[in-house]
Amino acid sequence: DGGITQSPKYLFRKEGQNVTLSCEQNLNHDAMYWYRQDPGQGLRLIYYSQIVNDFQKGDIAEGYSVSREKKESFPLTVTSAQKNPTAFYLCASSIDRGPYNEQFFGPGTRLTVL
Amino acid sequence: QKEVEQDPGPLSVPEGAIVSLNCTYSNSAFQYFMWYRQYSRKGPELLMYTYSSGNKEDGRFTAQVDKSSKYISLFIRDSQPSDSATYLCAMSGADKLIFGTGTRLQVFP
Repeated sequence: DGGITQSPKYLFRKEGQNVTLSCEQNLNHDAMYWYRQDPGQGLRLIYYSQIVNDFQKGDIAEGYSVSREKKESFPLTVTSAQKNPTAFYLCASSIDRGPYNEQFFGPGTRLTVL
Repeated sequence: QKEVEQDPGPLSVPEGAIVSLNCTYSNSAFQYFMWYRQYSRKGPELLMYTYSSGNKEDGRFTAQVDKSSKYISLFIRDSQPSDSATYLCAMSGADKLIFGTGTRLQVFP
């Protein structure tokens, strides 16, 4: 089955630690995205990548880093510089269809900082 | 002013009711308008999309776009408890989607 997988589903981290969230897709999509979702704030874009070895900052990139070494994979690292990292993190991918940008989402990772 | 504004709800309706969900936007360059449905603790899934102004119907769901007013709506007829979810509107920009904050809908039996 084609789709997007995110792991782990739940993640606990101590303050001051970096943590990496995994996102893999087998849809052969060119573009991949990372969002953060907090109650009452909808989806906020962290980083996105339209092609391998290239990525752009979204609206809230501070305290996060990404890499895109393979088309299928787009891991997100939450660094200790992120002031309030507890949130639900969603990865998405899309075929590059010009102005029409249908994104397919993974199941999400819930990160809790203890 | 946010690019996309969405009534936050929550909205609680009885089974069988007609539900209206709405978003307004400020960027007249948006051409594609989408509605995503998100069940609790899951990723969003695309429900419907429309291009430019007009209506689009899919079963019990109707999406409506009024570009002159910069206003989009999603209507759900004969709502069911299984429709209970958060509904997010989204607009297609140059290389990314701009999402509304989501409206939480609860349909009770």
